[in-house]
Amino acid sequence: DAEITQSPRHKITETGRQVTLACHQTWNHNNMFWYRQDLGHGLRLIHYSYGVHDTNKGEVSDGYSVSRSNTEDLPLTLESAASSQTSVYFCASSGSVDGEQYFGPGTRLTVT
Amino acid sequence: QQQVKQSPQSLIVQKGGISIINCAYENTAFDYFPWYQQFPGKGPALLIAIRPDVSEKKEGRFTISFNKSAKQFSLHIMDSQPGDSATYFCAARFAGNKLTFGGGTRVLVKP
Repeated sequence: DAEITQSPRHKITETGRQVTLACHQTWNHNNMFWYRQDLGHGLRLIHYSYGVHDTNKGEVSDGYSVSRSNTEDLPLTLESAASSQTSVYFCASSGSVDGEQYFGPGTRLTVT
Repeated sequence: QQQVKQSPQSLIVQKGGISIINCAYENTAFDYFPWYQQFPGKGPALLIAIRPDVSEKKEGRFTISFNKSAKQFSLHIMDSQPGDSATYFCAARFAGNKLTFGGGTRVLVKP
C-alpha cells in the first residue's frame, strides 16, 4: 500500500547541532509539506514543495531548510537546532494542487 | 498570528451527547475548510471538509455548519462515542493548497 513515512520517530539532540528529519511518500505526489505542531498553535507550515527542485517558505521557516531532489522525499534540516524548535514535526503530501493532504505519523524532536 | 481561531481548547461530553467545536477566520481568500481528527501518536487525518458556497455538510455523525457572512464554521459530532475521543483541528486553505490550522480541541467522550 502507498504510504507516507517519517524517520526517526523520536530524536533528542543538543543545541547547535544540525538535524535532518526524513519524509518519504510512495504515492508519487508532487506536493509535499512540512508542519510543526505545538500546543495551542495547531499545526504551522514550515516549508513546502510542488515538485522536484521546487521549495518554498511557509509561515515559520526561520532556522529550517528543505531540498527536493526526487518526487518521493522532502527532508527537513535544522541548520543549528535551538530549544525553541522542540516540537512534533509532521510531513504531508497531496496529489494535486487542491487535493487532500495526507499526513505522516510525525517526528518528536527534543532539543536540549 | 493565528488566522483561524478555534474554541474550546477542550471539552468533555457524555456518550450519546453532542460535541460542538467552533472556528472563526478573517481572511476571505480562504477557499476550503477541512476538519482533521488526530489520535495520540498519529498524524492528523481528514475528517470532513466544506467549501464556502455551502452552508452545511453532513457525513454520518459529523456535520459542518458554515456561516460565510460571520466568517465562522463549526463541527458538530452527533451521538458522540468513546472512539471519537481525539483532538480535532479546523483549518482553512489558501492559494496553493496551503493550510492554516486552528489551535485544536481535545475531545473526551465519557462512557
